[in-house]
Amino acid sequence: ETGVTQTPRHLVMGMTNKKSLKCEQHLGHNAMYWYKQSAKKPLELMFVYSLEERVENNSVPSRFSPECPNSSHLFLHLHTLQPEDSALYLCASSPEQGAGYGYTFGSGTRLTVV
Amino acid sequence: RKEVEQDPGPFNVPEGATVAFNCTYSNSASQSFFWYRQDCRKEPKLLMSVYSSGNEDGRFTAQLNRASQYISLLIRDSKLSDSATYLCVVSLPPRGSYIPTFGRGTSLIVHP
Repeated sequence: ETGVTQTPRHLVMGMTNKKSLKCEQHLGHNAMYWYKQSAKKPLELMFVYSLEERVENNSVPSRFSPECPNSSHLFLHLHTLQPEDSALYLCASSPEQGAGYGYTFGSGTRLTVV
Repeated sequence: RKEVEQDPGPFNVPEGATVAFNCTYSNSASQSFFWYRQDCRKEPKLLMSVYSSGNEDGRFTAQLNRASQYISLLIRDSKLSDSATYLCVVSLPPRGSYIPTFGRGTSLIVHP
């Protein structure tokens, strides 16, 4: 148990489906992140939230829609995805957003778009 | 030039060997540096922060060379359980605020 919990662990969805990924952290951290990890590529930062406010949207297509209702929960809403969106989606948190803080990752959601 | 670069490896070493990885970064204003470890099909986990003066944690030593813009990770007396991918993370200067950027990772395989 890392203190950051992601559900579901695995998800297979069609291109016309709508689904949501959930992340919950029990560490009292103020910053939360969504990362995408594709095969043989570095982790790509998607979104950053600090105290429930989005502070970074790293040129992510609108078919990915984040939501942060409070500092402990983060969602990633998915709709009309493409097969190339298949990847491991990792949520992370840190005490604050900025330099000097390590990140605690959840176990990830392995997404397959068919 | 990529913002954060690592030799992907794999580094294939026998148990007990000493192995070192480097990670170069392009932006001289980068602030924070970390090494993470990622096992196959698992999430990355923080291994250690990298401090300007260098730091050690058991068999692991991390160093920062600001002049040449690289960080290094040295593993002494390698164990089979050290087999993993090692990711370097650099906090790049603000586009609003510091952004953690991951390298591609270096794969280490320790064999008997």
